[in-house]
Amino acid sequence: DTGVSQNPRHKITKRGQNVTFRCDPISEHNRLYWYRQTLGQGPEFLTYFQNEAQLEKSRLLSDRFSAERPKGSFSTLEIQRTEQGDSAMYLCASSKGTSGRYSTDTQYFGPGTRLTVL
Amino acid sequence: AQSVAQPEDQVNVAEGNPLTVKCTYSVSGNPYLFWYVQYPNRGLQFLLKYITGDNLVKGSYGFEAEFNKSQTSFHLKKPSALVSDSALYFCAVRPDSGGYNKLIFGAGTRLAVHP
Repeated sequence: DTGVSQNPRHKITKRGQNVTFRCDPISEHNRLYWYRQTLGQGPEFLTYFQNEAQLEKSRLLSDRFSAERPKGSFSTLEIQRTEQGDSAMYLCASSKGTSGRYSTDTQYFGPGTRLTVL
Repeated sequence: AQSVAQPEDQVNVAEGNPLTVKCTYSVSGNPYLFWYVQYPNRGLQFLLKYITGDNLVKGSYGFEAEFNKSQTSFHLKKPSALVSDSALYFCAVRPDSGGYNKLIFGAGTRLAVHP
């Protein structure tokens, strides 16, 4: 059973540059999530996809952030015009969810992409 | 505001002794509760979850957690700690209203098990 994979594992960029991260979920998982984790804090929710539809976005997801899941499989998270405050670990998770409000699915996390903005 | 509190930044325990990592939550309704563990340079690994039913939930690696609705707590426990249990532990809650697919995490508790 292949877990959630994320690439790259580390990214160092200069302020103002654009970066893109990729997440490959567990096969057949229809739900995909992005979280951000800063040092000493727990992960904070950014956005959620069910298949290819982006159904929820956090207020943390500013206009410089965009996420896609074009075919309902892998997802990309792009940050434009990076700022030093964007430095964090970006975590992707996936789950196999049923329809309806009270889905009890478990989210499985990838190893994360550590972004450093100089 | 919905939140999760892990009141201890670090818990120290001797190998072989029982361990408890505390978690309390503040959400409306009947939330779903989770524990994850994070090892250095690795993602979060799922340990266990409470959805409904028996208040004592058993999970991976000998861990268990007890749900207490009146105290809004979900403490993680293990009867006999191992040095290999040393890691960062996160409690998380999924509210049953308003953004019900996201997880809200606590700040984490570092567990140090000493030989």
